[in-house]
Amino acid sequence: SQQGEEDPQALSIQEGENATMNCSYKTSINNLQWYRQNSGRGLVHLILIRSNEREKHSGRLRVTLDTSKKSSSLLITASRAADTASYFCATDQAGTALIFGKGTTLSVSS
Amino acid sequence: GAGVSQSPRYKVAKRGQDVALRCDPISGHVSLFWYQQALGQGPEFLTYFQNEAQLDKSGLPSDRFFAERPEGSVSTLKIQRTQQEDSAVYLCASSPIQGPTGELFFGEGSRLTVL
Repeated sequence: SQQGEEDPQALSIQEGENATMNCSYKTSINNLQWYRQNSGRGLVHLILIRSNEREKHSGRLRVTLDTSKKSSSLLITASRAADTASYFCATDQAGTALIFGKGTTLSVSS
Repeated sequence: GAGVSQSPRYKVAKRGQDVALRCDPISGHVSLFWYQQALGQGPEFLTYFQNEAQLDKSGLPSDRFFAERPEGSVSTLKIQRTQQEDSAVYLCASSPIQGPTGELFFGEGSRLTVL
């Protein structure tokens, strides 16, 4: 089963634009993580935000978490062609392994 | 090695054959996970080890799937009597902490195609 649902499923933007993708989940969590996957490769961890945090930054990435709405957003600022990839949110419930969503496919054209 | 290593990267099997997929986690990582990723989908949890103990195998889809990590490092995922629906990428991930919810370090995956 997949708890997280990313929105949109696909996003196409130009280099330099910002990209925002959203994740909704169903049950209470301890933390939420975002991962990136380039085509044919494994997943790479981007950022972890705990349930008691509301916002977190890492370089060009900004993640927000709204536990009352059970949602999170990932903002990539000043997108580059190299950001083209699929992005997944992953959530945990107490004692269980991470559950991944279906992902957002981001295409950044130059 | 520097990262999680999986082999083989690609495996083609005839329906009914047994396959074994290997994962070498990052040295010293105590937790190891197997996920299954169908085309266009997110990874789905299969099983989790802490050292050599298999603490959660709730995601294994059938008794044809078996995983082991006998010495707490290398792990093998075995699929018996493969079916076409087993075609997927099998991802291994490891984590330096105990417990199933930390940051995961993924390998490149083993792509299984069952004909």
